[in-house]
Amino acid sequence: AQSVTQPDIHITVSEGASLELRCNYSYGATPYLFWYVQSPGQGLQLLLKYFSGDTLVQGIKGFEAEFKRSQSSFNLRKPSVHWSDAAEYFCAVGARGNEKLTFGTGTRLTIIP
Amino acid sequence: DAGVIQSPRHEVTEMGQEVTLRCKPISGHDYLFWYRQTMMRGLELLIYFNNNVPIDDSGMPEDRFSAKMPNASFSTLKIQPSEPRDSAVYFCASRPGLAVGEQFFGPGTRLTVL
Repeated sequence: AQSVTQPDIHITVSEGASLELRCNYSYGATPYLFWYVQSPGQGLQLLLKYFSGDTLVQGIKGFEAEFKRSQSSFNLRKPSVHWSDAAEYFCAVGARGNEKLTFGTGTRLTIIP
Repeated sequence: DAGVIQSPRHEVTEMGQEVTLRCKPISGHDYLFWYRQTMMRGLELLIYFNNNVPIDDSGMPEDRFSAKMPNASFSTLKIQPSEPRDSAVYFCASRPGLAVGEQFFGPGTRLTVL
């Protein structure tokens, strides 16, 4: 069965600082990996996705993520955060032939001035 | 283009009442998913449809929950009777048939059962 672990429940960073959110997955085959963002009172919005090919993927809002098969990780990064990045971030895993996505428990990001 | 539409956005009801949540997926999307989000359990998939047919309802918590998709542009999630532990945010999501993985989420319905 596929699973996703986001070890950090809550992260606080200063505006302008760099950010890395961790995601580890468990899946037997090649996974499809996603990062979603949820602003307060909103639904989830896709930031980026990885299916195959280049292991460094670029997303919206200046985010990127790197797939590392050896570490079963798909960490999300941003070089300089903005106050508007404060939200909850979810990592998810899926696979071809399996229509379900399995979501992690989320990481809440707080930005301080 | 309109995204996934859910109604109502907020629902407050009393224990024992019937609750119906509604969802209009993005036009042309073949898949529709219902999720429940709580602090304790995170985001849980309840059921999903493909071309209006329920494919997997293994996440539906119990018989009090039912979901239908009478046509490609409308789905309902019904709880009868409702209980306080059903209080959560319920999301509907849809995706095109040929896309892998990416789901488009609605804004959610916040349900409070008193």
